[in-house]
Amino acid sequence: AQSVAQPEDQVNVAEGNPLTVKCTYSVSGNPYLFWYVQYPNRGLQFLLKYITGDNLVKGSYGFEAEFNKSQTSFHLKKPSALVSDSALYFCAVRDLTGRRALTFGSGTRLQVQP
Amino acid sequence: SAVISQKPSRDICQRGTSLTIQCQVDSQVTMMFWYRQQPGQSLTLIATANQGSEATYESGFVIDKFPISRPNLTFSTLTVSNMSPEDSSIYLCSVEHLQETQYFGPGTRLLVL
Repeated sequence: AQSVAQPEDQVNVAEGNPLTVKCTYSVSGNPYLFWYVQYPNRGLQFLLKYITGDNLVKGSYGFEAEFNKSQTSFHLKKPSALVSDSALYFCAVRDLTGRRALTFGSGTRLQVQP
Repeated sequence: SAVISQKPSRDICQRGTSLTIQCQVDSQVTMMFWYRQQPGQSLTLIATANQGSEATYESGFVIDKFPISRPNLTFSTLTVSNMSPEDSSIYLCSVEHLQETQYFGPGTRLLVL
């Protein structure tokens, strides 16, 4: 069985400061890892993914994430937070060889203060 | 990315009734999924909608409660049957499109009274 853990329900950061949203995962094989963002009353928007290759992946809106196989982590980062980044962020995983549906973490609410 | 639309965007329904949610994609896709997001919760997979065959349901979800149709590669419906207040959720369809990435529709917000 695969699972995702997002240990922080909420992350608070001041505008202009770097942000990190944590994610750890568990799969039986090689993982496909994803980050999505959900703004109020909106669906999920794809941010970035790791499938293979460079451990540092860059995505939309200046976000990036680092895949760390030894720590089974895929933390989301941004060098300089914007107030408009305030939203709900979900990490998701699927097994490379298993079913194609995603397993989601519990979500982390990011609050960027002006 | 694929453009996905859902109808209705929201609805308020009485208990005991049924609601059918439509999901339309602007291109042909092999994999379509239905998820539920209960208030304040994460997403849970209901089923994989298979074109031309019966949907594959996850543990805890059954066809009698959540019948799904997938008549072609661009369209699917999810029906929430015999609704109760516990069915109040956001229902989202998603498709796998281009390089293993899933894209989501805007969701259907359902409130059952």
